[in-house]
Amino acid sequence: DIQMTQSPSSLSASVGDRVTITCRASQSISRYLNWYQQKVGKAPKLLIYAASSLDTGVPSRFSGSGSGTDFTLTIISLQPEDFATYYCQQGYSTPLTFGGGTKVEIK
Amino acid sequence: QLQLQESGSGLVKPSQTLSLTCAVSGGSISSGGYSWSWIRQPPGKGLEWIGYIYHSGSTYYNPSLKSRVTISVDRSKNQFSLKLSSVTAADTAVYYCARVSGLTVTFDYWGQGTLVTVSS
Repeated sequence: DIQMTQSPSSLSASVGDRVTITCRASQSISRYLNWYQQKVGKAPKLLIYAASSLDTGVPSRFSGSGSGTDFTLTIISLQPEDFATYYCQQGYSTPLTFGGGTKVEIK
Repeated sequence: QLQLQESGSGLVKPSQTLSLTCAVSGGSISSGGYSWSWIRQPPGKGLEWIGYIYHSGSTYYNPSLKSRVTISVDRSKNQFSLKLSSVTAADTAVYYCARVSGLTVTFDYWGQGTLVTVSS
């Protein structure tokens, strides 16, 4: 199985801050990496697919980068509605696996 | 707009079989290029992929659950289902159904999720 490791597991930030979350795969997954946002009590929502493509309707303050084993999700100018937990997910091989999540909290 | 809605028993006794259905509206479950998946999330924990079924009927399961899982599709009702046998308390979770985009293997549409509790 491909292990997905996210860091940090949680962070505190203020509105307007730049936030970076990293995701590392235990082996190369090319660009088969997706990012999701989950708010409390809600289903995850797709933000970015194929490492860097923004899903329809996702604000441009979100961006993704990386390939191979190392990936990054960046939020420039954090907004109040961005406080949530973020997950990465690899689609390179089954079993499909998720990172452990990064909880973004208000400082 | 595609919508998915889970339904099924919210309380299952240990050793019994968990059964859930995901109704798909706003699109056909037989559309090529997509598969249909189940994912679960224990309370306060992360996401675990359970398995998926292609429009052709082929299935792929997480090896950690494979011996207990069956995913099937009912094209006449535009829905797919999950059965998980011999459940224990460790199977207590919110269960989500989702569509998987084939090219990028992305969960692009999700149901709202349904909490299943395993308890006597």
